[in-house]
Amino acid sequence: GQNIDQPTEMTATEGAIVQINCTYQTSGFNGLFWYQQHAGEAPTFLSYNVLDGLEEKGRFSSFLSRSKGYSYLLLKELQMKDSASYLCAVKDSNYQLIWGAGTKLIIKP
Amino acid sequence: GAVVSQHPSWVICKSGTSVKIECRSLDFQATTMFWYRQFPKQSLMLMATSNEGSKATYEQGVEKDKFLINHASLTLSTLTVTSAHPEDSSFYICSAPREAQNTEAFFGQGTRLTVV
Repeated sequence: GQNIDQPTEMTATEGAIVQINCTYQTSGFNGLFWYQQHAGEAPTFLSYNVLDGLEEKGRFSSFLSRSKGYSYLLLKELQMKDSASYLCAVKDSNYQLIWGAGTKLIIKP
Repeated sequence: GAVVSQHPSWVICKSGTSVKIECRSLDFQATTMFWYRQFPKQSLMLMATSNEGSKATYEQGVEKDKFLINHASLTLSTLTVTSAHPEDSSFYICSAPREAQNTEAFFGQGTRLTVV
């Protein structure tokens, strides 16, 4: 079966750095996505990786290792507004998005 | 600005009634749209894939007679929850790729359905 694992919840301090990991086993791979979702809202796109390596976009970076079936989302200079759920999703061989359960990130002052 | 618009953003209905949710692509044509359901503290669960001009494809366990999907035009898909019950209360979200197999999925704002 297809599976995406990420931690259920993480806590970090305002101004610090946090890394959210995601491992996946899917039938085929056509890219990995990270989305941010605030409670009661739809997900918003953060990043996309299809090749190995690090993609940097402002305070957020995403890393991919296809051979290891592994990705992480790195958030720097954390702000209170970064408190949200972060969803990892993989497009499989049919270009269908397979979603992880999400990681709830709690930012403390 | 939003590229996928979903309406209504919230609705409360009585048990046994039907509710229609609309999903529109605003500046592009979407031959495919996806409908998701999300229960509190859980991830998105794909319910069905809406295909313009043909029948929707439902995921296992989703009742096609209860969740009616119509994709009559290239910019509009609708989800109708028929004979709603309290257990259907959930957050329903649609998404559409700008192109088939595009990198990014654009999401509607979501619809919070409460059945009383």
